[in-house]
Formats: sequence, C-alpha cells, structure tokens
Amino acid sequence: QSALTQPPSASGSPGQSVTISCTGTSSDVGGYNYVSWYQQHPGKAPKLMIYEVTKRPSGVPNRFSGSKSGNTASLTVSGLQAEDEADYYCSSYAGSIVIFGGGTKLTVL
Amino acid sequence: EVQLVESGGGLVQPGGSLRLSCAASGFTFSSSWMHWVRQAPGKGLVWVSRINSDGSSTNYADSVKGRFTISRDNAKNTVYLQMDSLRAEDTAVYFCARSTSTSCFDWGQGTLVTVSS
Repeated sequence: QSALTQPPSASGSPGQSVTISCTGTSSDVGGYNYVSWYQQHPGKAPKLMIYEVTKRPSGVPNRFSGSKSGNTASLTVSGLQAEDEADYYCSSYAGSIVIFGGGTKLTVL
Repeated sequence: EVQLVESGGGLVQPGGSLRLSCAASGFTFSSSWMHWVRQAPGKGLVWVSRINSDGSSTNYADSVKGRFTISRDNAKNTVYLQMDSLRAEDTAVYFCARSTSTSCFDWGQGTLVTVSS
C-alpha cells in the first residue's frame, strides 16, 4: 500500500495552465478508472474536484480537468486564479482499498 | 445540504482506545458508502477505512487493520470508527466522508485524535 507519487510542488502565474501528475502502478492507477483529485486549503476539509479520472462534481469549474495514461494520472488547472492556490491530492482505488498521493502544493505566482 | 459532523476525538495514551462518531444529514445515508480519512499534523491525506451502505462490507488500510473497526447505524445516520491499541503514529485529524465506493464527495470538518503519554 505505497502512496501514489506526486510532485511536492507546482506553480504558475494567473491565467496560465499547470498540470500535476500522479504516478502509481498497474495495481491502482493503471488498473482502474477510479482516480480522484482533491483540493485542500489550509485548515479546511478537502474538496472533491475530479472523480473517475475525468468527471467533475457539480459546482467545480471546468478549468479543472483530469486525464490518465497508463499508470499516471494528471490534473490540469487552466486559467489559474489566486483561489486555486492550495494542496492537491490524488487518490486511486486499488482493489478493495483506496490509496492517496503525497500531495502537491500549488502556488499561484 | 450535506452535513457531516465528527466527534469523539481527544487525548489518549498509547495502547488506549477511542470511538469516533460521524453524524450525517442532508442525504440518504443508508444508500451511501462512508469512508474515514486521516491527516497527521502538517502531513498529507491517508485513507483509513470504508464501509458500504448496509454495513456488510468493510475495508481497512494495512496500518490500522486489526486495530480499527468501522461500523454504521443507519437508523441513527451515524458511522463510527472504533480505534484500539492506539499508537503515537495514529495522531491525526480524522475526517469522515460521504462517498461512492471509491471517491469522497462530501467531507466533515474532522476531529483531532492525539495519542501521547
């Protein structure tokens, strides 16, 4: 049950796009289309941004998009805004359990 | 509006026990999977456990298997996490979440568990 691998940090200027990767194995990310992405602001509860690789819950801006290729999933934030600055976590189903990534701190420059 | 309110956290000595509760409202609790996720101070999210809608299926992270037990009472719209044989490394904020089997759609604000002598 090793954590999924995310870069510790990412950054971009307002209006730009940034992509955060999430690498697992064929037993988790690569084996199922059940990757989720969560946003967490300091001191707050996480918020679901993407589920089942590409789906957005109602209320999540379409600036947020998800994709997957092989054992790596990605979250792309387009048209960066100041309020997008937060920690982002991926998770994947791994056959009866769920595994999270270590998190990526997104900084809006 | 979905509301999830965790309670039961606090300070406990190593080897001790604690039972967390999560009271749910604003959705059909008896139709939802529920998950527990924890976050140690300054660290990332770690999945702990999940339970299906009628309580017949439960799963655990290896780090808590055999020590933690998840359960639910659909009549009370409440999910529980019984934590036994607690260790210092269990110190964290524990979140409950309304979920599918694989994704956590709504989260509570969390309850802090501190394991220390």
